Amino acid sequence: KNEVEQSPQNLTAQEGEFITINCSYSVGISALHWLQQHPGGGIVSLFMLSSGKKKHGRLIATINIQEKHSSLHITASHPRDSAVYICAVSNTGNQFYFGTGTSLTVIP
Amino acid sequence: SQTIHQWPATLVQPVGSPLSLECTVEGTSNPNLYWYRQAAGRGLQLLFYSVGIGQISSEVPQNLSASRPQDRQFILSSKKLLLSDSGFYLCAWAKGGARIRNTEAFFGQGTRLTVV
Repeated sequence: KNEVEQSPQNLTAQEGEFITINCSYSVGISALHWLQQHPGGGIVSLFMLSSGKKKHGRLIATINIQEKHSSLHITASHPRDSAVYICAVSNTGNQFYFGTGTSLTVIP
Repeated sequence: SQTIHQWPATLVQPVGSPLSLECTVEGTSNPNLYWYRQAAGRGLQLLFYSVGIGQISSEVPQNLSASRPQDRQFILSSKKLLLSDSGFYLCAWAKGGARIRNTEAFFGQGTRLTVV
């Protein structure tokens, strides 16, 4: 069993839809990260959070430490949001564990 | 600001040939450095990490090795590539130090390696 599980694996949405990607983890963590990987392969860090909720533009990330669960929400989705979204956790030793990613396609 | 450089972006190598991928970080000192591999349809797998010069930890047994000859330089190597070494390789860094907590990871643009 992976330390980090994401769902769904693949997601197709119509432009404008509200999107939710879920992440569960089974290890003790110092922080949880949401990453975005575009088709070219480069990865960008979207959020790092250890409690509560963070918002950046149309993206919202939440974490429930007790339930070991996090969600990434995209409001008013747009085709440029199409990418692979990866959940990762890091521990106090700064070791990272990654989910397998959610491939999002937003159709115009 | 900190930046990370990884090269080459793509590489096609014959089976049995050597490999050298290089990663350098600018704008920070004593970073933790990581090499990851992403096989097709799979998540990121940690291959090596380093907390300092000459200090390399390997997460999985494999045909690859890593070296850190300088504080901000991380090299992934192989003496003889296998077909199974094909994949997407990513270098990353995070702030190092025993007292550093909750740091982000920053990724290079990756190298797509095809072994033929």
